[in-house]
Amino acid sequence: ETGVTQSPTHLIKTRGQQVTLRCSSQSGHNTVSWYQQALGQGPQFIFQYYREEENGRGNFPPRFSGLQFPNYSSELNVNALELDDSALYLCASSSRGGGGTQYFGPGTRLLVL
Amino acid sequence: DQQVKQNSPSLSVQEGRISILNCDYTNSMFDYFLWYKKYPAEGPTFLISISSIKDKNEDGRFTVFLNKSAKHLSLHIVPSQPGDSAVYFCAASSNTGNQFYFGTGTSLTVIP
Repeated sequence: ETGVTQSPTHLIKTRGQQVTLRCSSQSGHNTVSWYQQALGQGPQFIFQYYREEENGRGNFPPRFSGLQFPNYSSELNVNALELDDSALYLCASSSRGGGGTQYFGPGTRLLVL
Repeated sequence: DQQVKQNSPSLSVQEGRISILNCDYTNSMFDYFLWYKKYPAEGPTFLISISSIKDKNEDGRFTVFLNKSAKHLSLHIVPSQPGDSAVYFCAASSNTGNQFYFGTGTSLTVIP
């Protein structure tokens, strides 16, 4: 059974650019959630995808968008990057939409200059 | 508005003793609670969970206690080991919700 994987591990972008982060869910899981973790903070919920549809969204602007593919892998896209977008982006998968234990990947550390 | 709070940013404990990590929440709709452990440069690792129908759940050295009336949960680690040194996050969700709300974490150091 493979765990949650994320790519890339690190990324450096400049303000105004766009970025795409990728996540492969754990085998048997059909739900992917994305979180942003700023330094010294807990993870903050961005959105969740269940069966290729957005299934809830946290308090993030529309320039944060996502996709889920038929194999349940997912992408997080961030447009018009701002300095405050610098954070660790975590992907978590679970076996059903909504509740249930979420299992996290190692994260992608994004630095916006 | 922080719905899940961990008021102790750090905790140091001697090896072999008990570690007690605390977490408070404000939303009475929360009915599922988890603890995650996080090492540097890794994602959070699921440790233990508890649903609101229970007040205690045990898994080896780890026990989580839930006090619904006080909106408080705690994680007990007995005996503490140096490998337990990590940042611990508590998280909560409601059965009708789809997101977990995380605390800000407590950094545990177990001194050999």
